[in-house]
Amino acid sequence: GAVVSQHPSRVICKSGTSVKIECRSLDFQATTMFWYRQFPKQSLMLMATSNEGSKATYEQGVEKDKFLINHASLTLSTLTVTSAHPEDSSFYICSARTGSGGRETQYFGPGTRLLVL
Amino acid sequence: LAKTTQPISMDSYEGQEVNITCSHNNIATNDYITWYQQFPSQGPRFIIQGYKTKVTNEVASLFIPADRKSSTLSLPRVSLSDTAVYYCLVDYTGGFKTIFGAGTRLFVKA
Repeated sequence: GAVVSQHPSRVICKSGTSVKIECRSLDFQATTMFWYRQFPKQSLMLMATSNEGSKATYEQGVEKDKFLINHASLTLSTLTVTSAHPEDSSFYICSARTGSGGRETQYFGPGTRLLVL
Repeated sequence: LAKTTQPISMDSYEGQEVNITCSHNNIATNDYITWYQQFPSQGPRFIIQGYKTKVTNEVASLFIPADRKSSTLSLPRVSLSDTAVYYCLVDYTGGFKTIFGAGTRLFVKA
C-alpha cells in the first residue's frame, strides 16, 4: 500500500516550452501533496505544498507563476513548469501524505527527471 | 519546524550493523520521526517511523530516547545494496510541510 506514481519519469524539452508532471496516490487519498526538486548530490528542497481544492503554498524563492500547481482531486496533483529554461533542469519529486489519528506519513513518487535544452 | 542534524557520511562493511543518529533538539510534542532511504535518481523510500522508545520492522529498528531530542536508525547486517542516502525527517502532524536535512550518505564496502 501507499504507492505514489509520477508521470513522466523523464522528459526532455526545448527552452520556452511548458512541461506538466503528474503525481498520483494510487491506493489512498491525499489531501496534501508536496513538490520537491533535487539537484545532484543535494538534499530535497521543498517547492510547494499542494492542498486539494485550494491554492498551493509556495516556499520562499519559488515563483508560483512559473511552477503552476493544481491539486484537482484527492489522488492527483500536477506541476507545470512554464516557459522552461535550462536552469529548470532538475529532478522533481512529489510526495503524498496519508494517515490518521495524528500520525501521518509522507510517501514519495519515483521522481521526474527534467532536461531543458 | 524541527531542524534535523545527521552525519554527512558513514562507511561500513557488509554484514555489519550500522547506526545512524539524528539530532532534532526542538522536536514538538506532536512530531513523529520518520526515516527514508534514497538511491540515485529515485524518490525517497519509507523505512520506519516512530514516536518514542523502540520501533522495529523487517528492515530496521528505530531507537528514540525519552527526551526525543535524537533518534537512531539501526540497520542490521548491511549489504552492498544498502549504499544510499538516509534522511531523518521530523513530521509535524497536522502541519503543512516538512523540511529535509542534508541526509547521511552510507557507503557499504565489500
